[in-house]
Amino acid sequence: ETGVTQTPRHLVMGMTNKKSLKCEQHLGHNAMYWYKQSAKKPLELMFVYNFKEQTENNSVPSRFSPECPNSSHLFLHLHTLQPEDSALYLCASSQFLRTDTQYFGPGTRLTVL
Amino acid sequence: QQQVKQSPQSLIVQKGGISIINCAYENTAFDYFPWYQQFPGKGPALLIAIRPDVSEKKEGRFTISFNKSAKQFSLHIMDSQPGDSATYFCAASRDNYGQNFVFGPGTRLSVLP
Repeated sequence: ETGVTQTPRHLVMGMTNKKSLKCEQHLGHNAMYWYKQSAKKPLELMFVYNFKEQTENNSVPSRFSPECPNSSHLFLHLHTLQPEDSALYLCASSQFLRTDTQYFGPGTRLTVL
Repeated sequence: QQQVKQSPQSLIVQKGGISIINCAYENTAFDYFPWYQQFPGKGPALLIAIRPDVSEKKEGRFTISFNKSAKQFSLHIMDSQPGDSATYFCAASRDNYGQNFVFGPGTRLSVLP
């Protein structure tokens, strides 16, 4: 696999479920990001990790819990979500935090019933 | 101050025509302005980017025009092709800092054959 991969590609969950999104980058990058993409809204940066350390949490509700065990992997743990959390969740990586280009994965389409 | 405005929301262009998408920003500290292209089912991918020290940058059929005094920048797609049909996002950041990326809401471009 090359680039940034995300699994699963689609996820349907109930409001009481617990699920996790996985992101893996094969680019040797050191910074990783979670974004939320909702219809007709700008991409919203959720979390930023730099060398496995979280550097940014953009006021994201605690029902979203990120985890970065190493520079290649990023998880987003989900629990007791709301229907308005339904969106495309994108993972991205960049070589360093101070780098021009972010490389995005294909996203996980999440539907909360 | 952190917002990037983008217009139009959607655009339909005939094959061979010129597609123009406009963005405006308020924060004068922004110093890096990329455009991302997103096809259905894929994550955004960097298309072209510009810094405030130049007024125009061209890469193939894609050109960014930048007006620093007006705090506006635009993407021009010359000789638009059906394969250019995608959603285009402008963005802005300060100091190349990944966690400071701010995206516009996107423009859905359809190029008719």
